[in-house]
Amino acid sequence: QSALTQPRSVSGSPGQSVTISCTGTSSDVGGYKFVSWYQQRPGKVPKLMIYDVSKRPSGVPDRFYGSKSGNTASLTISGLQAEDEADYYCSSYAGSYSILFGGGTKLTVL
Amino acid sequence: EVQLLESGGGLVQPGGSLRLSCVASGFTFTNYAMSWVRQAPGEGLEWVSAITSSGGNTYYGNSVKGRFVISRDNSKNTLYLRMDGLTVDDTAVYHCVRDPEGDAWFDPWGQGTLVTVSS
Repeated sequence: QSALTQPRSVSGSPGQSVTISCTGTSSDVGGYKFVSWYQQRPGKVPKLMIYDVSKRPSGVPDRFYGSKSGNTASLTISGLQAEDEADYYCSSYAGSYSILFGGGTKLTVL
Repeated sequence: EVQLLESGGGLVQPGGSLRLSCVASGFTFTNYAMSWVRQAPGEGLEWVSAITSSGGNTYYGNSVKGRFVISRDNSKNTLYLRMDGLTVDDTAVYHCVRDPEGDAWFDPWGQGTLVTVSS
Protein backbone atom coordinates (compact mmCIF):
# COMPACT_ATOMS: atom_id res chain seq x y z
CA GLN A 1 0.00 0.00 0.00
CA SER A 2 1.40 3.36 -1.05
CA ALA A 3 0.76 6.67 0.59
CA LEU A 4 -1.95 8.85 -0.91
CA THR A 5 -0.71 11.51 -3.33
CA GLN A 6 -0.92 15.17 -2.38
CA PRO A 7 0.78 18.21 -3.95
CA ARG A 8 3.86 19.22 -2.00
CA SER A 9 2.72 22.81 -1.74
CA VAL A 10 -0.06 25.22 -2.60
CA SER A 11 -0.41 28.93 -2.02
CA GLY A 12 -2.98 31.68 -2.12
CA SER A 13 -3.55 35.25 -1.06
CA PRO A 14 -5.80 36.26 1.82
CA GLY A 15 -9.43 36.06 0.83
CA GLN A 16 -8.80 33.67 -2.05
CA SER A 17 -9.70 29.98 -2.25
CA VAL A 18 -7.33 27.06 -2.57
CA THR A 19 -7.93 23.37 -3.18
CA ILE A 20 -5.70 20.54 -2.03
CA SER A 21 -6.10 17.22 -3.81
CA CYS A 22 -5.56 13.74 -2.42
CA THR A 23 -5.34 10.94 -4.95
CA GLY A 24 -5.57 7.29 -4.12
CA THR A 25 -7.06 4.20 -5.71
CA SER A 26 -10.34 2.32 -5.80
CA SER A 27 -9.02 0.32 -2.83
CA ASP A 28 -8.84 3.32 -0.56
CA VAL A 29 -10.16 6.81 -1.42
CA GLY A 30 -12.44 5.58 -4.16
CA GLY A 31 -13.76 2.62 -2.24
CA TYR A 32 -14.86 4.14 1.04
CA LYS A 33 -16.49 7.24 2.47
CA PHE A 34 -13.84 7.39 5.22
CA VAL A 35 -11.62 10.24 4.05
CA SER A 36 -10.39 12.74 6.59
CA TRP A 37 -8.22 15.86 6.60
CA TYR A 38 -5.87 17.20 9.27
CA GLN A 39 -4.25 20.58 9.78
CA GLN A 40 -0.84 20.71 11.41
CA ARG A 41 0.59 24.09 12.32
CA PRO A 42 4.34 24.29 12.99
CA GLY A 43 5.25 22.65 16.27
CA LYS A 44 1.67 21.55 16.93
CA VAL A 45 -0.15 18.25 16.80
CA PRO A 46 -2.49 17.49 13.89
CA LYS A 47 -6.04 18.77 14.21
CA LEU A 48 -9.03 17.08 12.58
CA MET A 49 -10.67 19.39 10.04
CA ILE A 50 -12.85 17.06 7.93
CA TYR A 51 -14.07 13.50 8.40
CA ASP A 52 -16.21 11.10 6.38
CA VAL A 53 -15.26 13.04 3.22
CA SER A 54 -17.20 16.22 3.95
CA LYS A 55 -18.24 16.47 7.61
CA ARG A 56 -16.82 19.22 9.79
CA PRO A 57 -16.19 18.73 13.51
CA SER A 58 -17.65 21.27 15.84
CA GLY A 59 -15.54 24.43 15.85
CA VAL A 60 -14.10 24.06 12.35
CA PRO A 61 -15.12 27.05 10.20
CA ASP A 62 -17.37 26.38 7.23
CA ARG A 63 -14.62 27.89 5.06
CA PHE A 64 -13.21 24.34 5.06
CA TYR A 65 -15.01 22.05 2.63
CA GLY A 66 -14.31 18.44 1.78
CA SER A 67 -15.39 16.49 -1.27
CA LYS A 68 -14.57 13.41 -3.30
CA SER A 69 -14.81 12.34 -6.91
CA GLY A 70 -13.72 8.87 -7.88
CA ASN A 71 -10.30 8.14 -6.43
CA THR A 72 -9.53 11.78 -5.60
CA ALA A 73 -10.58 13.67 -2.50
CA SER A 74 -10.24 17.42 -2.14
CA LEU A 75 -10.06 19.98 0.62
CA THR A 76 -11.11 23.48 -0.37
CA ILE A 77 -10.39 26.42 1.87
CA SER A 78 -12.23 29.60 0.99
CA GLY A 79 -11.63 33.11 2.31
CA LEU A 80 -8.00 32.28 3.10
CA GLN A 81 -6.67 33.70 6.33
CA ALA A 82 -3.11 33.96 7.61
CA GLU A 83 -3.95 31.46 10.35
CA ASP A 84 -4.69 28.82 7.71
CA GLU A 85 -0.99 28.55 6.87
CA ALA A 86 -0.06 25.00 7.86
CA ASP A 87 0.59 21.51 6.59
CA TYR A 88 -2.50 19.56 5.57
CA TYR A 89 -2.74 15.78 5.47
CA CYS A 90 -5.43 13.60 3.99
CA SER A 91 -6.19 10.12 5.23
CA SER A 92 -8.30 7.24 3.99
CA TYR A 93 -9.46 3.86 5.17
CA ALA A 94 -7.91 1.23 2.91
CA GLY A 95 -9.71 -1.95 3.87
CA SER A 96 -8.94 -4.69 6.42
CA TYR A 97 -8.58 -1.94 8.97
CA SER A 98 -5.58 -0.28 7.41
CA ILE A 99 -5.26 3.47 7.08
CA LEU A 100 -3.24 5.51 4.63
CA PHE A 101 -2.09 9.08 4.93
CA GLY A 102 -1.06 11.44 2.18
CA GLY A 103 2.42 12.89 2.12
CA GLY A 104 1.18 16.29 3.23
CA THR A 105 0.71 19.67 1.54
CA LYS A 106 2.25 22.88 2.76
CA LEU A 107 -0.19 25.77 2.43
CA THR A 108 1.39 29.20 2.21
CA VAL A 109 -0.76 32.31 2.59
CA LEU A 110 0.98 34.98 0.56
CA GLU B 1 -11.55 18.00 28.63
CA VAL B 2 -10.47 15.03 26.53
CA GLN B 3 -6.76 14.38 27.01
CA LEU B 4 -4.27 11.79 25.84
CA LEU B 5 -0.85 11.74 27.49
CA GLU B 6 1.90 9.58 26.05
CA SER B 7 5.09 8.46 27.74
CA GLY B 8 7.83 5.91 27.37
CA GLY B 9 9.81 7.31 24.47
CA GLY B 10 13.55 7.69 24.50
CA LEU B 11 16.83 6.68 22.89
CA VAL B 12 17.25 3.01 22.05
CA GLN B 13 19.81 1.08 20.03
CA PRO B 14 18.88 -0.71 16.81
CA GLY B 15 17.38 -4.07 17.62
CA GLY B 16 16.19 -2.84 20.99
CA SER B 17 12.74 -2.65 22.54
CA LEU B 18 10.52 -0.01 24.08
CA ARG B 19 7.00 0.20 25.50
CA LEU B 20 4.94 3.31 25.02
CA SER B 21 1.98 4.20 27.21
CA CYS B 22 -0.92 6.59 26.72
CA VAL B 23 -3.18 7.59 29.59
CA ALA B 24 -6.61 8.81 28.54
CA SER B 25 -8.86 11.15 30.51
CA GLY B 26 -12.00 13.19 30.01
CA PHE B 27 -13.98 10.49 28.20
CA THR B 28 -15.15 6.89 28.65
CA PHE B 29 -12.05 5.10 27.41
CA THR B 30 -13.77 1.71 27.16
CA ASN B 31 -16.14 3.02 24.48
CA TYR B 32 -13.52 3.95 21.91
CA ALA B 33 -11.15 2.32 19.47
CA MET B 34 -7.65 3.74 19.67
CA SER B 35 -4.65 3.98 17.39
CA TRP B 36 -1.01 4.97 17.28
CA VAL B 37 0.18 7.30 14.52
CA ARG B 38 3.81 8.28 14.07
CA GLN B 39 5.64 11.14 12.42
CA ALA B 40 9.33 10.92 11.59
CA PRO B 41 11.28 14.17 11.98
CA GLY B 42 10.37 16.51 9.15
CA GLU B 43 8.19 13.87 7.53
CA GLY B 44 4.53 13.04 7.14
CA LEU B 45 2.10 10.97 9.16
CA GLU B 46 2.02 7.18 9.22
CA TRP B 47 -0.66 5.05 10.82
CA VAL B 48 1.00 2.37 12.97
CA SER B 49 -1.62 0.29 14.76
CA ALA B 50 -5.19 0.19 16.02
CA ILE B 51 -7.16 -1.66 18.68
CA THR B 52 -10.90 -2.01 19.17
CA SER B 53 -12.65 -0.71 22.26
CA SER B 54 -12.66 -4.10 23.98
CA GLY B 55 -9.13 -4.93 22.92
CA GLY B 56 -10.39 -7.99 21.13
CA ASN B 57 -9.09 -7.02 17.71
CA THR B 58 -5.79 -5.44 16.75
CA TYR B 59 -4.45 -4.16 13.44
CA TYR B 60 -1.01 -3.14 12.19
CA GLY B 61 0.62 -1.26 9.38
CA ASN B 62 2.84 -3.33 7.09
CA SER B 63 6.02 -1.65 8.31
CA VAL B 64 5.53 -2.74 11.93
CA LYS B 65 3.64 -6.00 11.58
CA GLY B 66 5.33 -8.77 13.54
CA ARG B 67 7.45 -6.34 15.56
CA PHE B 68 4.94 -4.12 17.39
CA VAL B 69 2.08 -5.13 19.68
CA ILE B 70 -0.77 -2.83 20.66
CA SER B 71 -2.77 -3.46 23.81
CA ARG B 72 -4.95 -1.66 26.31
CA ASP B 73 -5.96 -1.86 29.96
CA ASN B 74 -9.46 -0.42 30.20
CA SER B 75 -9.33 -0.55 34.01
CA LYS B 76 -6.43 1.90 33.87
CA ASN B 77 -7.61 3.97 30.89
CA THR B 78 -4.28 3.20 29.27
CA LEU B 79 -3.17 2.29 25.77
CA TYR B 80 0.17 0.61 25.11
CA LEU B 81 2.52 -0.04 22.23
CA ARG B 82 5.22 -2.63 22.69
CA MET B 83 7.95 -2.17 20.08
CA ASP B 84 10.57 -4.83 19.40
CA GLY B 85 13.28 -5.13 16.77
CA LEU B 86 13.51 -1.38 16.43
CA THR B 87 15.34 0.09 13.42
CA VAL B 88 16.44 3.61 12.57
CA ASP B 89 13.34 3.88 10.37
CA ASP B 90 11.19 3.68 13.51
CA THR B 91 12.57 7.00 14.76
CA ALA B 92 9.55 9.26 15.11
CA VAL B 93 7.14 11.01 17.42
CA TYR B 94 4.44 8.52 18.34
CA HIS B 95 0.97 9.95 18.86
CA CYS B 96 -1.87 8.26 20.68
CA VAL B 97 -5.18 9.03 18.95
CA ARG B 98 -8.85 8.30 19.53
CA ASP B 99 -11.04 6.89 16.76
CA PRO B 100 -14.48 8.22 17.77
CA GLU B 101 -16.65 6.19 15.44
CA GLY B 102 -14.37 3.42 14.25
CA ASP B 103 -14.37 5.16 10.88
CA ALA B 104 -10.61 5.65 10.73
CA TRP B 105 -10.53 9.32 11.62
CA PHE B 106 -8.76 10.58 14.69
CA ASP B 107 -9.68 13.15 17.29
CA PRO B 108 -8.02 14.21 19.46
CA TRP B 109 -4.30 13.62 19.17
CA GLY B 110 -1.91 13.35 22.08
CA GLN B 111 1.22 15.50 22.14
CA GLY B 112 3.32 12.47 21.33
CA THR B 113 6.44 10.83 22.66
CA LEU B 114 9.72 10.81 20.75
CA VAL B 115 11.40 7.50 19.97
CA THR B 116 14.95 7.74 18.67
CA VAL B 117 16.65 4.62 17.37
CA SER B 118 20.38 5.14 17.05
CA SER B 119 23.66 3.49 17.89
